Amino acid sequence: EAGVTQSPTHLIKTRGQQVTLRCSPISGHTSVYWYQQALGLGLQFLLWYDEGEERNRGNFPPRFSGRQFPNYSSELNVNALELEDSALYLCASSLGWSAPGNTIYFGEGSWLTVV
Amino acid sequence: TQLLEQSPQFLSIQEGENLTVYCNSSSVFSSLQWYRQEPGEGPVLLVTVVTGGEVKKLKRLTFQFGDARKDSSLHITAAQPGDTGLYLCAGAKSGNTGKLIFGQGTTLQVKP
Repeated sequence: EAGVTQSPTHLIKTRGQQVTLRCSPISGHTSVYWYQQALGLGLQFLLWYDEGEERNRGNFPPRFSGRQFPNYSSELNVNALELEDSALYLCASSLGWSAPGNTIYFGEGSWLTVV
Repeated sequence: TQLLEQSPQFLSIQEGENLTVYCNSSSVFSSLQWYRQEPGEGPVLLVTVVTGGEVKKLKRLTFQFGDARKDSSLHITAAQPGDTGLYLCAGAKSGNTGKLIFGQGTTLQVKP
């Protein structure tokens, strides 16, 4: 069974540009989560999508946004990139937040470098 | 405010030694997960614990969830160089938030 897959794995962008990161959840999982892991910082919760709707977002500015498609895959968009946005962006999926013993599986991440 | 305090932050030991990593909070969690992360890769799930007092074993790794579901520990017996990595605990609080709260992580180095 395929795990959570993310693309691209690495990318370099210039400050002010926009970026789109993609995520395919584990088959059967309806919830998708996005986290940011910057150097020296822990994993910071960005967004949670379930059944195509944004259910919660972390303490990030509105230029961080995303969506979830009918097939449960998801995109994370970051506009007006800043140097501090350089980080590993992790996508995760699960059966559903309220599922008993909800277990969340992470992908390999997308490394974003902003120069 | 760091809701999950993980200790120690760094640990360097010799192959064959035992170690314990702690994850403590004043908050109650409905479940807690442990992950291991290699540099440049995503966290890999080791275990999920949901019941207070629960103990789970994964080969040489033993995970325990506190009776009050506020703390957890990871014990590794006879550590091997392949155990080297970043260990993360992450708790889910009750409520429909979709948010895992992560500890700061424990960087483990096992020297041959």
